[in-house]
Amino acid sequence: QVQLQESGPGLVKPSQTLSLTCTVSGGSISSGGYYWSWIRQHPGKGLEWIGYIYYSGSTYYNPSLKSRVTISVDTSKNQFSLKLSSVTAADTAVYYCAREKTGTLIDYWGQGTLVTVSS
Amino acid sequence: AIQMTQSPSSLSASVGDRVTITCRASQGIRNDLGWYQQKPGKAPKLLIYAASSLQSGVPSRFSGSGSGTDFTLTISSLQPEDFATYYCLQDYNQLTFGGGTKVEIK
Repeated sequence: QVQLQESGPGLVKPSQTLSLTCTVSGGSISSGGYYWSWIRQHPGKGLEWIGYIYYSGSTYYNPSLKSRVTISVDTSKNQFSLKLSSVTAADTAVYYCAREKTGTLIDYWGQGTLVTVSS
Repeated sequence: AIQMTQSPSSLSASVGDRVTITCRASQGIRNDLGWYQQKPGKAPKLLIYAASSLQSGVPSRFSGSGSGTDFTLTISSLQPEDFATYYCLQDYNQLTFGGGTKVEIK
């Protein structure tokens, strides 16, 4: 059973960089076939895809966030990470990491972590 | 980027009702679409993938249909545990979620 767990600061100051890590257990990121995603959900709102990474390091980002987003992978630790720069209060959201496979969509999600941007 | 327009944004229904939610893609996406159910404070749960394939463990009262640009999620007989928010998701070209449909008790 694959499990994903987000970790990182729950509070970030405006203009700083939000950094989160997702640790995958029960399966190897290096096994291929899956895209490892970050998704966020503003309080009381819908879901927004941020981007994803393949184990090889290939990345794909939501065009609306592309200028501020970096997703990286550390296969030795079975982790992938999100960095979102120059944050504002509008970046306050629950951030989810997830596993996606073309054709079968996102089948595993982390529990989500709330990140608040505030001074 | 592909846009997904989901309707309605909310609906009120009673236990036993048949419920239909639709998603329209801004361009053809073959059958690269799925449906999720989300309850408050929880991650979304996959119900349907490839437009009409039922995810393992999901009750058969959930069904999906469509191809190209127009898709439908149907709940044949609404149960108390089905009151939740539903989202469509396309993965034809990167990922895009629909805006969501909140299903409330009438």
